[in-house]
Amino acid sequence: DTGVSQDPRHKITKRGQNVTFRCDPISEHNRLYWYRQTLGQGPEFLTYFQNEAQLEKSRLLSDRFSAERPKGSFSTLEIQRTEQGDSAMYLCASSMKRDTEAFFGQGTRLTVV
Amino acid sequence: KQEVTQIPAALSVPEGENLVLNCSFTDSAIYNLQWFRQDPGKGLTSLLLIQSSQREQTSGRLNASLDKSSGRSTLYIAASQPGDSATYLCAVSLSSNTGKLIFGQGTTLQVKP
Repeated sequence: DTGVSQDPRHKITKRGQNVTFRCDPISEHNRLYWYRQTLGQGPEFLTYFQNEAQLEKSRLLSDRFSAERPKGSFSTLEIQRTEQGDSAMYLCASSMKRDTEAFFGQGTRLTVV
Repeated sequence: KQEVTQIPAALSVPEGENLVLNCSFTDSAIYNLQWFRQDPGKGLTSLLLIQSSQREQTSGRLNASLDKSSGRSTLYIAASQPGDSATYLCAVSLSSNTGKLIFGQGTTLQVKP
């Protein structure tokens, strides 16, 4: 499978716990994006990497959120001290260049109880 | 601030019908527009990408048009099938270096056999 891969697919956690999600983009893509999608809404941009550099962060990305892409390959998104409002689908996407298609993974569904 | 709107929010049609999904955006300074399909609980599948200099793109039974000056795009689905039932999302890429996407809320399509 050469598509965008996300792990885990589902995560249930208790409020206050930390969680970490992983995204493996398509191998030749140097651009990587994280989005969040709540029920009935379109995805909302969280952050963007070009290679290992994090070049843009949304105001949605509070201090409890951190994302990394240490070697310009896979990326991780960590949420500290989870809150019920963090419950959502977290989507990762990658693309080769600005004007090319973005390809999305299957997402990680987070439920905070 | 760029806003993307999709009308209608939901649509139900009998199998075999041709249909049109609408997408409008407030700022015509876009780089490209992409249509996606999303099945329940799943990630996004790219359907069509239209560059800002293009007027339309076709893939099989799908045809997407773009009128940048009026801030509109349509997705035409010919001879609809029950397997087309899904949520369809449009997204615009802003004229910036990031390539981040601004999404509409989607149109949920049900094709009845």
